[in-house]
Amino acid sequence: GDSVTQMEGPVTLSEEAFLTINCTYTATGYPSLFWYVQYPGEGLQLLLKATKADDKGSNKGFEATYRKETTSFHLEKGSVQVSDSAVYFCALSLRRTGNQFYFGTGTSLTVIP
Amino acid sequence: NAGVTQTPKFQVLKTGQSMTLQCAQDMNHNSMYWYRQDPGMGLRLIYYSASEGTTDKGEVPNGYNVSRLNKREFSLRLESAAPSQTSVYFCASSEMAYSTDNEQFFGPGTRLTVL
Repeated sequence: GDSVTQMEGPVTLSEEAFLTINCTYTATGYPSLFWYVQYPGEGLQLLLKATKADDKGSNKGFEATYRKETTSFHLEKGSVQVSDSAVYFCALSLRRTGNQFYFGTGTSLTVIP
Repeated sequence: NAGVTQTPKFQVLKTGQSMTLQCAQDMNHNSMYWYRQDPGMGLRLIYYSASEGTTDKGEVPNGYNVSRLNKREFSLRLESAAPSQTSVYFCASSEMAYSTDNEQFFGPGTRLTVL
């Protein structure tokens, strides 16, 4: 079935370190891919998205490239800040299921000064 | 714009009690969704409404019912709460279902505990 697999956390990094959170997916058809971020006590907010192969989504210094050949959508940031501490969710969306989102289990990131 | 609002923020129920979680959006979106979030499991879709007047089951619909009251509002009802329904519930909306470009906008969540 359709699913998303994310690297498990928690991840702890020092400020200004490089971040990679791995995400791979399984889907029949042509999904759109998303990264959402959840700050403590809040709902999910869209961080970035890509709707077709080779698209790169970017926002607030975060980037992810839709790789069809490896079915991946890894999240990267060159220099993390304390304010990036949050839980990050990778998700896919398929038109045939009413734009239902399939989420990964989330990766908790803590950035220490 | 308030975006997606949910009430209540917190709720404690006893096993067997019923309750309705309310959700409203002011973005004129056609589609609305209910998810539950459990530790280590990400978010799972309970029900969704692709447009006003339609509802469909998601991944984990058992024990829940929904009502799309109008274009703005989508409620989730637990008829007889069970401890397994202890979770954080999120409502979301998107401009249109069946269009994968559309992001979903999420409410702040309802934290439900069933004793």
